[in-house]
Amino acid sequence: ETGVTQTPRHLVMGMTNKKSLKCEQHLGHNAMYWYKQSAKKPLELMFVYNFKEQTENNSVPSRFSPECPNSSHLFLHLHTLQPEDSALYLCASSQDLALAGGLETQYFGPGTRLLVL
Amino acid sequence: AQSVAQPEDQVNVAEGNPLTVKCTYSVSGNPYLFWYVQYPNRGLQFLLKYITGDNLVKGSYGFEAEFNKSQTSFHLKKPSALVSDSALYFCAVRDKENNRLAFGKGNQVVVIP
Repeated sequence: ETGVTQTPRHLVMGMTNKKSLKCEQHLGHNAMYWYKQSAKKPLELMFVYNFKEQTENNSVPSRFSPECPNSSHLFLHLHTLQPEDSALYLCASSQDLALAGGLETQYFGPGTRLLVL
Repeated sequence: AQSVAQPEDQVNVAEGNPLTVKCTYSVSGNPYLFWYVQYPNRGLQFLLKYITGDNLVKGSYGFEAEFNKSQTSFHLKKPSALVSDSALYFCAVRDKENNRLAFGKGNQVVVIP
């Protein structure tokens, strides 16, 4: 295992529901990421946090709301999602964005498979 | 913007045969290139990266990749494929504008017993 856990592993929700995805890393890292993985498409970076501060929002719709209470935990709050938001949502962590300028290895969790009905 | 292309959706190879997964890149300046692998129901795992130095980079699980500047390629290779190598392989390049990784769409590798 990589030291990055995600819950739940699977989630089915209606378009009017509110749910949250959780990510936890046990590696002592300071940077955390949310990615969206859709079939046959490049991995899409959604959000980046470094030392609990959001450093990037990659033009993600406001129905996705991230939260990073500390360097070990990252949440993705979901509300009024659309069917096209169905995908695998991956969390990742790395040591520190400032140290290696993006060259450091990222460690990924197993993902949450989301289905929006 | 920096980007990578993985031209094939799926690569089929017989067990024991050489495995090659193709990746070409488009960058300004020197590229920083990565390979990640995703096994079924798992997150991505780092395999190897090229930053500078020797064009042949060795990584985990017997994989290696060759950086070819003239062909702007960074193909992943393994001399003898195993059934357990069946997975989704992602090439990535560091985007110098924001220091973030830009991933390709992935290649599904199927190793046939």
